[in-house]
Amino acid sequence: GAGVSQSPSNKVTEKGKDVELRCDPISGHTALYWYRQSLGQGLEFLIYFQGNSAPDKSGLPSDRFSAERTGGSVSTLTIQRTQQEDSAVYLCASSPGQDYGYTFGSGTRLTVV
Amino acid sequence: AQTVTQSQPEMSVQEAETVTLSCTYDTSESDYYLFWYKQPPSRQMILVIRQEAYKQQNATENRFSVNFQKAAKSFSLKISDSQLGDAAMYFCAHISNFGNEKLTFGTGTRLTIIP
Repeated sequence: GAGVSQSPSNKVTEKGKDVELRCDPISGHTALYWYRQSLGQGLEFLIYFQGNSAPDKSGLPSDRFSAERTGGSVSTLTIQRTQQEDSAVYLCASSPGQDYGYTFGSGTRLTVV
Repeated sequence: AQTVTQSQPEMSVQEAETVTLSCTYDTSESDYYLFWYKQPPSRQMILVIRQEAYKQQNATENRFSVNFQKAAKSFSLKISDSQLGDAAMYFCAHISNFGNEKLTFGTGTRLTIIP
């Protein structure tokens, strides 16, 4: 596709359940990022994939969060045993290089009830 | 680590007027890029303008321009002839050109356009 695609666009889950969020980056973009945005707040970095390098996981808030990127393309962010504080918009972005900025998807709004 | 500061949580401007959003950043490096992103209620982050640190000339994109002061580490966004569609959250961001660095965002400025 022409842009970064994220699914689902909205997800409501019960506390304690696991969720998977998907990101399809722009074809050919070697870098992929996940950010979290709480209501009315800025963007919190979660994880960064660059080509075949080991991902930068320094932003993951706890070991309940994990992400993978298969074949250098699609990425899945998994949150295990969701908590109410995990409620936020999860944004994915991809980039062909650092100087181009990032192209963002429309995000997944996660609500934990 | 780089930090980006946006000291104006909210700004408002009359339609057709000009508004300037402030941004300062902290970095020890000399080669980097700066960006302004717009996030309307649709929550889609849209790249508005980018600036290369090694270029002295201020970037311009139609009604959007920046005032880049490298020594002062300041990167403000000027929106001329404000339109209703400019209402959004605006985020300033920085990325180093060295290594596999990530984009660091400020906390954002909510811009309201008054008809």
